[in-house]
Formats: sequence, structure tokens, C-alpha cells
Amino acid sequence: NAGVTQTPKFQVLKTGQSMTLQCAQDMNHEYMSWYRQDPGMGLRLIHYSVGAGITDQGEVPNGYNVSRSTTEDFPLRLLSAAPSQTSVYFCASSYVPPGQGKGNTIYFGEGSWLTVV
Amino acid sequence: AQKITQTQPGMFVQEKEAVTLDCTYDTSDQSYGLFWYKQPSSGEMIFLIYQGSYDEQNATEGRYSLNFQKARKSANLVISASQLGDSAMYFCATAAGGTSYGKLTFGQGTILTVHP
Repeated sequence: NAGVTQTPKFQVLKTGQSMTLQCAQDMNHEYMSWYRQDPGMGLRLIHYSVGAGITDQGEVPNGYNVSRSTTEDFPLRLLSAAPSQTSVYFCASSYVPPGQGKGNTIYFGEGSWLTVV
Repeated sequence: AQKITQTQPGMFVQEKEAVTLDCTYDTSDQSYGLFWYKQPSSGEMIFLIYQGSYDEQNATEGRYSLNFQKARKSANLVISASQLGDSAMYFCATAAGGTSYGKLTFGQGTILTVHP
């Protein structure tokens, strides 16, 4: 998963605490997104961005904020952590090349394991 | 809105045999993409194969092929000559308009176990 870097890889939070998951990519991709993966399930989209200054909600946005001040960075903020936010979080970046879109242009980070107690 | 259904929670296959992982999708979009990802126990998401809705030929990537049946809205993954390292969780996903800015809808996954 070269090119998409997530930090931290592991984090334990107490209920009510806030934190930021960092995501950075060095491929100059326009599009970035955050997903969460709960045990035994597929990934679900939290928020996404189609460029600097532009963000929108995905399927499960409640409890999370995002901003995109630069092309490279797309941090995910948990405002007041809840046990229901215990999950694995994936950041992804992508671009659409000229002409046909191709699936292998979506790159995932290695994931961030978050536990809220 | 898109929906992906993977009806096989778990599959078993003998090493060197072929296996098919099922995926059906529901979308109202005319243009869409279908993806398969592998997630080993280490947790990373590994891209395997992509099929665009307007691609007439089934996609192939090495030992992976996608059996795309548009009328039936199915996009099954075929792994030929299974290897022990193929044991993992496999996810089918779709996106409207091809890559659609990285907005993927995933199925619940199929756990594949390859026996020696």
C-alpha cells in the first residue's frame, strides 16, 4: 500500500475523548476517503473528499469530522469517542485517469485499529 | 444507491484447485465499476481485479478472473490453482461511475480457506 500513510496504527481511547486519525498520500490524488470496518463486516464509507476544500458525507458520518486543507492530507476527527466507534479505520486515495476509470487506482492505507473503552 | 451481496460466509478449497466466490450487486447507475479486494489476516486491503460495466470482456489478472454477467447483476471472482497464501477474506465492492472518486460500497465478505 505504498503512498497512503495512516497514523496511528493502534490507539486506545476513553469514552468522551477526542482524537484525530491522520492520513497522508504523496501521489497527488484528488480523491480521498475514510472507511470503517467492524468485525466480520465489509468497509463502510464515513466521509470523502473530491479535492482540497471539498468534503461530503458517506454512509456512516455521525460522530466524525473531516477537513481537506491540502491535497495530501485528509484527517478524520472523532469529536467525543464512543464504544460504538471501536473499529478499524481505512483511508483511501484515488484518481480517475483520462478516459476510462480503472479500479486499481484506489489505494488503501494499512488501517488504524481504534478501541474506545 | 448500490448494494453488494456475498452469500458465502466461508468457502473451503483444496490447494491447486479452482474456486468461485459469488457476488451479486444492485445498482440503478448505468455506469459502474466492480472490484474485488483481498484482506489477509494482517488486515491490509489488497486490490485484485476490476470490471467496468461497459467492458465487454471479463477481466483477468493472473490467477484471478471476474465472471461478469451484467443481466444477472453478478460479478463472481474465480481463483484458479489455489495456493495456501490465498487464504483470506475476500470483498466484492462497487462504485458508481467507475471509480466514482473512491466511494466504494462493500459486501460483507467471504472467508476463503485453502487446505493443503
